[in-house]
Order: sequence, then C-alpha cells, then structure tokens
Amino acid sequence: DSGVTQTPKHLITATGQRVTLRCSPRSGDLSVYWYQQSLDQGLQFLIQYYNGEERAKGNILERFSAQQFPDLHSELNLSSLELGDSALYFCASSVVGTVSTEAFFGQGTRLTVV
Amino acid sequence: SQQGEEDPQALSIQEGENATMNCSYKTSINNLQWYRQNSGRGLVHLILIRSNEREKHSGRLRVTLDTSKKSSSLLITASRAADTASYFCAEGSVAAGNMLTFGGGTRLMVKP
Repeated sequence: DSGVTQTPKHLITATGQRVTLRCSPRSGDLSVYWYQQSLDQGLQFLIQYYNGEERAKGNILERFSAQQFPDLHSELNLSSLELGDSALYFCASSVVGTVSTEAFFGQGTRLTVV
Repeated sequence: SQQGEEDPQALSIQEGENATMNCSYKTSINNLQWYRQNSGRGLVHLILIRSNEREKHSGRLRVTLDTSKKSSSLLITASRAADTASYFCAEGSVAAGNMLTFGGGTRLMVKP
C-alpha cells in the first residue's frame, strides 16, 4: 500500500459528460501529481499541485482542470469527455525539493468513455 | 517534455534467469527512478538512483546509471513468475518540481 488513495477505481461515462477523480496523498506529502496512462500515449504528466498551488503543467487538455484543497486532497475534473479520454488516471504524491524524492502512486482510476 | 526510451519493449525469459532492461533519457536529471506495474494496476516504486551514484542494489534488483551516456539499466536476478509485469524508468528533476518523465516501459514475462 503506497498510502495514496484514489477514488473511484472504475468509472464508465458517456461522451460529453463531466467526471471528477479524487486523490488523497500520503500523510505529510504536500505535492500531488496527476498522470494519464493510455495505450497510445504511455504515461503522460498532466499537472502538479504543491500545498494548494499549481506548480507545473504538462500535457493537460483545456477540458481538464485540477485543484488541491486545504486538506491537501486533490481532484481532477474532466469535462466534455471524448472517447479518446478513456485511460488510467494516476495520482502520485511526494515531498519536493530533494534529489532523493520518491513519488508514490495510487492504484489509479480507470475511466471508460462510451 | 520528451520521454526517454526503454529497451527492449518486451522481454520473455524462463524462471531463474536474469532480466536486464535498459533506459535512455534525454534531460538533465537529479535522479532516475524505476517502477513496476502489474497489468492495469498501480505503479509500485522499486528503486531510486541519484545522478551522483553509479550503482544501487535492493534485494534482487541492481540498477546502474551512466550519466555520460544518459542511460540506466535495471537487472532482476533469479527471476520469478511473480516478476511478470511492466517496468518503467522515470527521470526526476528537482528543478521541475520533482515531476517524473516516464519512458515507454518494458513488458517482462517470466515463464515458470
């Protein structure tokens, strides 16, 4: 158990809909990262939050947004869903600022858009 | 950010044999991390090697890092059927907020 909790584990929704994925980081970790894993794109970094503030942005679509709350949990919002958004979405957490920082991943949310 | 490459993309060996996976990366790193993923499940952190280290061991795992060639290798000794999984390397950079850039992974199958 990595200590990172993601809910829900599975999500099936229709095109055009909006969903929210939730992540609770490991105790003490201030940084949360979101990744998308699809068959054709591999593991892609989406966005990072640190202590409530956006820290870095990767290949995140404008239809997607995220936030980190005062209790440090994070949510990834995906809207106007398309078939191509079907993927595994991972959250990871870590401390930041050291050369030995390890990131720990949740079990992921498998999103299927039909 | 550009992803590194892993080689081979797939590897099939017999139980008891050693498995070697290679990773090349493109950017300046502070560390390189290896992860394992069982089919469709979460990523499990295996080992981190810092840019000033050349070799690191953890149980049956041995990781090497050659920063001059921007490459790393993961060796699993005396493999077991339970080692069957995908293995990913990931570049870590403090300047990038410790965000990880992943390679494409190696799918390892260990036959009993």
